[in-house]
Amino acid sequence: NAGVTQTPKFQVLKTGQSMTLQCAQDMNHEYMSWYRQDPGMGLRLIHYSVGAGITDQGEVPNGYNVSRSTTEDFPLRLLSAAPSQTSVYFCASGPRQRSGNTIYFGEGSWLTVV
Amino acid sequence: LAKTTQPISMDSYEGQEVNITCSHNNIATNDYITWYQQFPSQGPRFIIQGYKTKVTNEVASLFIPADRKSSTLSLPRVSLSDTAVYYCLVGDMGNTPLVFGKGTRLSVIA
Repeated sequence: NAGVTQTPKFQVLKTGQSMTLQCAQDMNHEYMSWYRQDPGMGLRLIHYSVGAGITDQGEVPNGYNVSRSTTEDFPLRLLSAAPSQTSVYFCASGPRQRSGNTIYFGEGSWLTVV
Repeated sequence: LAKTTQPISMDSYEGQEVNITCSHNNIATNDYITWYQQFPSQGPRFIIQGYKTKVTNEVASLFIPADRKSSTLSLPRVSLSDTAVYYCLVGDMGNTPLVFGKGTRLSVIA
């Protein structure tokens, strides 16, 4: 019963490097999203998807790309890492076919950009 | 997007009932109200969800007035382990992106 799985859990990047944070869910959820959370702050929506082949921007999309080629996977790509992207990243998914807003979070990916 | 407003922080003694109110004046007809709990270094987890009136589960109650412009999460007899940040989320993933507010930091004191 894996739920939402994020990899890697910890990553250190140099400024200008690119990388991909992986997110996979095994609950057949249509809705998937990425949030970032800076120390002591709330969750900010980066990108979200309501189904395979459909993505849209959230509150803070600049510097990030996403794709949704399958229902299960929703990778987040950092194009050219900057120190301002140092944060904890959470992936979440939810069953869109049912009304509501219950989403399930992964354990987070800690990213440090130096 | 339905914007939410919550108190930034609250303190409570162990064993007391805690009520956290969330204001969401521009809630849409299809929006649900869901509360999440977040411990340090963990992702938020679902506590309770409602659409109108009152909902109760094994850990909390959710009170929603008829106009649905606010909601109150009630935690009965809190313990030290209830110290966390509580988020009120309003929306419907079928129609809108789910944007969180700033949350309420609850500190339970022995």
